[in-house]
Amino acid sequence: EPEVTQTPSHQVTQMGQEVILRCVPISNHLYFYWYRQILGQKVEFLVSFYNNEISEKSEIFDDQFSVERPDGSNFTLKIRSTKLEDSAMYFCASSEALRGEGEAFFGQGTRLTVV
Amino acid sequence: GENVEQHPSTLSVQEGDSAVIKCTYSDSASNYFPWYKQELGKRPQLIIDIRSNVGEKKDQRIAVTLNKTAKHFSLHITETQPEDSAVYFCAAMNSGGYQKVTFGTGTKLQVIP
Repeated sequence: EPEVTQTPSHQVTQMGQEVILRCVPISNHLYFYWYRQILGQKVEFLVSFYNNEISEKSEIFDDQFSVERPDGSNFTLKIRSTKLEDSAMYFCASSEALRGEGEAFFGQGTRLTVV
Repeated sequence: GENVEQHPSTLSVQEGDSAVIKCTYSDSASNYFPWYKQELGKRPQLIIDIRSNVGEKKDQRIAVTLNKTAKHFSLHITETQPEDSAVYFCAAMNSGGYQKVTFGTGTKLQVIP
């Protein structure tokens, strides 16, 4: 069964450093998303991406965040200058279709720890 | 924006009993309501969903109901088993948007053998 894969599974970084979280969506999917889940809290939407551009973003997704699809398979989330409060599990997801017609499949997550 | 509230935050049931989790949403334009199960340290996985043109949907031991007028929707699990223990998230989405799914705060379900 195809699945969304994320690397690394755990990233520890110092405050102020840049991190790049990587995702490989399911190959025939066209819509990509990043979500964040602070430990013990709910899953929060960050950004959606379609046709090589951001289609929607939340208030969490400020200027410190950026996304990119550098090639035909990878989808990345960059945090330019990490803060302690960026520590969370970051989930990538992809779907074949929007408008609720296709399930969003989640990757296994990257646990980001900012120290 | 959309706001989804979920109750209870924790729920303990005896194996074989039923469990009910309730959610409310605020945006009347929301028309797609998925439910996710998240086991400890794992990714959220879709277990069932319902669209606003139906009031109820069932899949084996799991059922969801939707009351659009009251903006309520609920997850019902019958004949609970220990492997049902997990955190369950309800969510709401306006399918006219780019799948910005707004999640509820989660319910930690514990099924006691």
